[in-house]
Amino acid sequence: NAGVTQTPKFRVLKTGQSMTLLCAQDMNHEYMYWYRQDPGMGLRLIHYSVGEGTTAKGEVPDGYNVSRLKKQNFLLGLESAAPSQTSVYFCASSPLEDEDTGYEQYFGPGTRLTVT
Amino acid sequence: RKEVEQDPGPFNVPEGATVAFNCTYSNSASQSFFWYRQDCRKEPKLLMSVYSSGNEDGRFTAQLNRASQYISLLIRDSKLSDSATYLCVVTASLVVWGGAQKLVFGQGTRLTINP
Repeated sequence: NAGVTQTPKFRVLKTGQSMTLLCAQDMNHEYMYWYRQDPGMGLRLIHYSVGEGTTAKGEVPDGYNVSRLKKQNFLLGLESAAPSQTSVYFCASSPLEDEDTGYEQYFGPGTRLTVT
Repeated sequence: RKEVEQDPGPFNVPEGATVAFNCTYSNSASQSFFWYRQDCRKEPKLLMSVYSSGNEDGRFTAQLNRASQYISLLIRDSKLSDSATYLCVVTASLVVWGGAQKLVFGQGTRLTINP
């Protein structure tokens, strides 16, 4: 069981370039999330998905798009990268809530993105 | 006002000391409460859930006061391995039904245990 994996681990982009971050989970979780972490800000929710084929906006969605074509994968896209998107990006997943699981989210190892 | 506010830290304490973290949250509709631990340049990991009745896990004790919207974490007999950033987390529902929740994070408090 790999849990939640993210690729790539590091990336440097120039302003205006595009890229896609991939998140994969092998726990058959329904829900998946993308967060970004910036110094002094805590983690903030970018987009989330409550199931295959569905996505929704979180707190800070501008400049990002997402897709969930398969249940196990959640992709985060940057169409035209900006320096303000320099951050650490974490993907997370969680199962349908039941008495045992509560609301725990399981995080991937993160992607460190620098936009110059 | 931030949704979740924590002690700014950093905390530097000697090994074996007891250390306490405090956290307040602004959304009275929050349903679940957690402490996460984050090691340097790693992902957050759940340390423990926090219940109104209080709960203990070994050297760690968490308390929740819903009336005051206040959460605490106490670490007794601290170890070098406890050095990390501790994140206070509350949830907010994303959907009317089901368990999809937004985790709202405090900015974290960095703890360093010194030998």
